[in-house]
Amino acid sequence: NAGVTQTPKFRVLKTGQSMTLLCAQDMNHEYMYWYRQDPGMGLRLIHYSVGEGTTAKGEVPDGYNVSRLKKQNFLLGLESAAPSQTSVYFCASSYSIARSSYEQYFGPGTRLTVT
Amino acid sequence: EDQVTQSPEALRLQEGESSSLNCSYTVSGLRGLFWYRQDPGKGPEFLFTLYSAGEEKEKERLKATLTKKESFLHITAPKPEDSATYLCAVRNFGNEKLTFGTGTRLTIIP
Repeated sequence: NAGVTQTPKFRVLKTGQSMTLLCAQDMNHEYMYWYRQDPGMGLRLIHYSVGEGTTAKGEVPDGYNVSRLKKQNFLLGLESAAPSQTSVYFCASSYSIARSSYEQYFGPGTRLTVT
Repeated sequence: EDQVTQSPEALRLQEGESSSLNCSYTVSGLRGLFWYRQDPGKGPEFLFTLYSAGEEKEKERLKATLTKKESFLHITAPKPEDSATYLCAVRNFGNEKLTFGTGTRLTIIP
């Protein structure tokens, strides 16, 4: 099992450009999440999904959109990148909270720089 | 609002010198407390889940404990490969989300 994978690993964007980050998981998890991690701020939730075709806002959703068309994939889009979106982005997945264990498993991250 | 505070922010230990990391939390109904390890440039790696006060879990040199207000991650006779940032997170009942602390950066000196 590959677990949670993310593409790309690194990306540099100019202000105003758009891009999509892809997350894939092969653990048949119901839930998927997108976080950003900034120095001194910890992990902050951007958006999450509790199932195929559903999405919800997290703590810092502005400037981002998501889609979950297939259970195993969760896409994070930046429509018009801003320097404030320079960060490391992590995807995670977990079983539903209805199950006995629902810890989140994380991908390796995408380091995004917006100039 | 759920809150998680980790201390100390950074800790340097000599190899073999045991110590503890603290995670204080405020949550209206604890569904689970999670410990993760994060190496530089990598994603967080799951270590433990604790569900109720009094619970303890162990893995190699690490032992996690839980009270009604805090959790401790005890590290016994650490080795340099234990150097990492350790993150704590809580989940509230009826909530699909985790609230993370900012972590403790642990350095073990040979």
